[in-house]
Amino acid sequence: GAGVSQSPSNKVTEKGKDVELRCDPISGHTALYWYRQSLGQGLEFLIYFQGNSAPDKSGLPSDRFSAERTGGSVSTLTIQRTQQEDSAVYLCASSRRTGAGEKLFFGSGTQLSVL
Amino acid sequence: DQQVKQNSPSLSVQEGRISILNCDYTNSMFDYFLWYKKYPAEGPTFLISISSIKDKNEDGRFTVFLNKSAKHLSLHIVPSQPGDSAVYFCAAFATDSWGKLQFGAGTQVVVTP
Repeated sequence: GAGVSQSPSNKVTEKGKDVELRCDPISGHTALYWYRQSLGQGLEFLIYFQGNSAPDKSGLPSDRFSAERTGGSVSTLTIQRTQQEDSAVYLCASSRRTGAGEKLFFGSGTQLSVL
Repeated sequence: DQQVKQNSPSLSVQEGRISILNCDYTNSMFDYFLWYKKYPAEGPTFLISISSIKDKNEDGRFTVFLNKSAKHLSLHIVPSQPGDSAVYFCAAFATDSWGKLQFGAGTQVVVTP
């Protein structure tokens, strides 16, 4: 597609439920990233995938968070047993690859609200 | 810990004047810096970048200055236009972690007529 697509754009869930957020990167981009932005905060790195390499999961805040990327394209971020502090905008980005000067192209995000 | 800091949460500037946004960083391994612009309900969009081997990069109305010794960079927008009203994020890559772009908290710019 023309840009990074994320779905849903908004998700309201109850505390304790699981949620899945989807990201379709720009075609041909080998690197895919997940960030989140809590209210009044900057963007917080969660995880990135580069080609077929093992993902860098060092930013995931707890083991309730996981992500996968199928076929080197679409990615799903899963949050299990959601908590109120998980409420944030979850942003996905992609780039041609990781490395110096690579620009990340962001989707519009998924606004997650945990009640 | 916050490795990229934008200490001004907001900035108001008159149309036609210069906007100066500041960013400080603590990690000496950062060697590539970017500015992103974000409108409400949209993802951040790339604006301008600079490599650590340079001290200035210019693109139209936007200029980024880098002072490595002070671990400081700034973004100048001149002249400022109403469409520049947005949140601006400073971000940085370190040589040992290209996949992790570290962001500042952002500066909300409001350009008034």
